[in-house]
Amino acid sequence: GQQLNQSPQSMFIQEGEDVSMNCTSSSIFNTWLWYKQDPGEGPVLLIALYKAGELTSNGRLTAQFGITRKDSFLNISASIPSDVGIYFCAGQLETGGTSYGKLTFGQGTILTVHP
Amino acid sequence: EAQVTQNPRYLITVTGKKLTVTCSQNMNHEYMSWYRQDPGLGLRQIYYSMNVEVTDKGDVPEGYKVSRKEKRNFPLILESPSPNQTSLYFCASSLSQGALGPGELFFGEGSRLTVL
Repeated sequence: GQQLNQSPQSMFIQEGEDVSMNCTSSSIFNTWLWYKQDPGEGPVLLIALYKAGELTSNGRLTAQFGITRKDSFLNISASIPSDVGIYFCAGQLETGGTSYGKLTFGQGTILTVHP
Repeated sequence: EAQVTQNPRYLITVTGKKLTVTCSQNMNHEYMSWYRQDPGLGLRQIYYSMNVEVTDKGDVPEGYKVSRKEKRNFPLILESPSPNQTSLYFCASSLSQGALGPGELFFGEGSRLTVL
C-alpha cells in the first residue's frame, strides 16, 4: 500500500516550546489531514487541507499542504501539557483512481511535554 | 450525541475462534472504515465502505471480512483469528464529501483484541 513517512517518531519538549512535524510521500495527495490521539482514545481530527499551498490554523496549531502535494507540515506553538499524545498525518490519493476511498496514515509522532 | 460505537472494547480470544467486532454510527454517514493500530506502524486501513452494499479492501485486508447491509453498521469479522491479528482496532465514519473524499473521519474509542 501507499507509504507516508512521518517524522520525527517522537519528541520530548519543555512546556512553552514550539513543535514541528512533517509527512512526506512518494505519491501526490489531494487531501492532507492531521489527527491527534489522546491515550486510550480514538484519533480526533485537528486540521484538514484540500489545496496545494494551503495554510490553515486551529488555535495554536498551523498546518500546511505542500506545494508539490507530496508533503504536509504541522506546527504547534507555545506547547502546553495537554498537547501530549500521538499526532498522525493522513493523506488521500487523487480522485478518480482505484484507491479513492483509501486514506493512508503516517506512523505517528509521539509528543511528550514536560511542565 | 454524535458518535461511533464499537463493541467489544476489550477481548481476549484463542486462535481459530470466530469473532465479530461491531461498529455503529448515528451520524447518517455514508463512508465507514476499519483500521488497526500497531506500535511503530501507525493506523493501517483494513476495509472501507463508500455506502451500503459497497465495500473495498484497504491495505491489510487479509484475514478479515466486512459487510455493510445498513448505513449505520459496519461489522468487522475475523473468521479464524490468529495471533498476528492481536491489535487495537478502530472503526471510523465520515460524510464522504464527493470529490474531497472521506478524509474527515470520526473515530470510535477502539477495540483491543488479543488472540492467544
